[in-house]
Amino acid sequence: AQTVTQSQPEMSVQEAETVTLSCTYDTSESDYYLFWYKQPPSRQMILVIRQEAYKQQNATENRFSVNFQKAAKSFSLKISDSQLGDAAMYFCAYRSASGGGADGLTFGKGTHLIIQP
Amino acid sequence: GAVVSQHPSRVICKSGTSVKIECRSLDFQATTMFWYRQFPKKSLMLMATSNEGSKATYEQGVEKDKFLINHASLTLSTLTVTSAHPEDSSFYICSARLGRSGSYEQYFGPGTRLTVT
Repeated sequence: AQTVTQSQPEMSVQEAETVTLSCTYDTSESDYYLFWYKQPPSRQMILVIRQEAYKQQNATENRFSVNFQKAAKSFSLKISDSQLGDAAMYFCAYRSASGGGADGLTFGKGTHLIIQP
Repeated sequence: GAVVSQHPSRVICKSGTSVKIECRSLDFQATTMFWYRQFPKKSLMLMATSNEGSKATYEQGVEKDKFLINHASLTLSTLTVTSAHPEDSSFYICSARLGRSGSYEQYFGPGTRLTVT
C-alpha cells in the first residue's frame, strides 16, 4: 500500500515571501501521479498542481512549483510571492497509474499554511 | 471547468436512521466516482470507488453494508449511510472522473457534513 507523509502540520510565511511544503511518499510502483491540493475553509478541494512520475521536468503553475525527486520519493511544493488567499490546508496526494478503476487518491495528513500580512 | 455537486451540504439525522448523500457531475459524464471521508482537522480517507454500472470497490475497513454506494448513471452516485450512529458523523466528499484510466483528472464536490445525534 502507498503512504504519503507530510511532516509539517503547520507553516507560517510572510506575505510576498516564499514557502516550501514538504511531502514524501512510499510506493513500489514505477508509474503514478502526484498532486498538491488546497482546501480553504470552505472545504472545497482545489487542485494546485499535478506531476506525472514519468516526467523528469518539475511541474509549475504560475507561483506554484514542485521539486520532484523520484529516487528520494520526495515531492515538495514551493509557493512564491505568497498571498493572503493562499492560506489554507494543503494536501499532498498520490494516485496509481495502473488504472482498472480502483485508484483513488491517497492523501497526506496536510499542512496548515498561515500567511502573515 | 468540470463541476461536481453534492446534496445536501449539511444533514442532521437521529441515531438509527439512514441518510442518503448525492454526488452529481453537472457538465460531464463520470465513469468513475470516489467517496472520501474527512474527520475534523484530518486528512481525506478513500472509502470506496464506484464505476458506473458496477458494484463499488470498498477500501479495507469500510463496511459495505453500512455505506451503500450506487452509481446507476454516468452523472449520479449516491452514498447511503445506513443505521447511522454518532461515530458516523463526519465530512463526506465525492469526486468524479471522466474515464476509467488514472490519467483522467478527478473533480471534487463541495462535501456534505453529516451530524448524527
